[in-house]
Amino acid sequence: NAGVTQTPKFQVLKTGQSMTLQCAQDMNHNSMYWYRQDPGMGLRLIYYSASEGTTDKGEVPNGYNVSRLNKREFSLRLESAAPSQTSVYFCASSEAGRGTDTQYFGPGTRLTVL
Amino acid sequence: LAKTTQPISMDSYEGQEVNITCSHNNIATNDYITWYQQFPSQGPRFIIQGYKTKVTNEVASLFIPADRKSSTLSLPRVSLSDTAVYYCLVAPTFSGYSTLTFGKGTMLLVSP
Repeated sequence: NAGVTQTPKFQVLKTGQSMTLQCAQDMNHNSMYWYRQDPGMGLRLIYYSASEGTTDKGEVPNGYNVSRLNKREFSLRLESAAPSQTSVYFCASSEAGRGTDTQYFGPGTRLTVL
Repeated sequence: LAKTTQPISMDSYEGQEVNITCSHNNIATNDYITWYQQFPSQGPRFIIQGYKTKVTNEVASLFIPADRKSSTLSLPRVSLSDTAVYYCLVAPTFSGYSTLTFGKGTMLLVSP
């Protein structure tokens, strides 16, 4: 039982390049989330998927797209990377869309955009 | 959404009890209080959750007064490994509400 896995762990991009961050969970959770964390800031929600087949914008969605590929997988795409997207990205999942559901986080992807 | 306020940072020494207080003046009837812990270079992890009075588990205790406008996370006899960022969150229990607001948290530094 691996929990929430993310790939890659580290990535360096040049401005304008694109990439997809992958996330998978094996806990049969319905809801999945993408956050970014910048130095001195808390976690900010980028996008979430309350259930398979649905996605919604969070606090900072600009410059990102997401795909809920199936119940297990939720990917985050940067179409044209910018230095402002340099950050640590965390994927999380929870059983359902209740505010009291525990969110389980992956190990994070550290992204640098030059 | 209930806004939360917690100290930016706290310092302690090994073996001491640490209490981190979170203010949530506009907490709603359906809201629960949850605390997460984040170690450096890791994602946050759930510590404890409560609605009122006192909740205790193997890691921490959570004290919530009757008016629920604040809550206190208590870590007994901290060690160096308790150095982390602690987040206080307030969110309702009903389904259909999917998002949590983590804020900046409280950076706890435990020294020898």
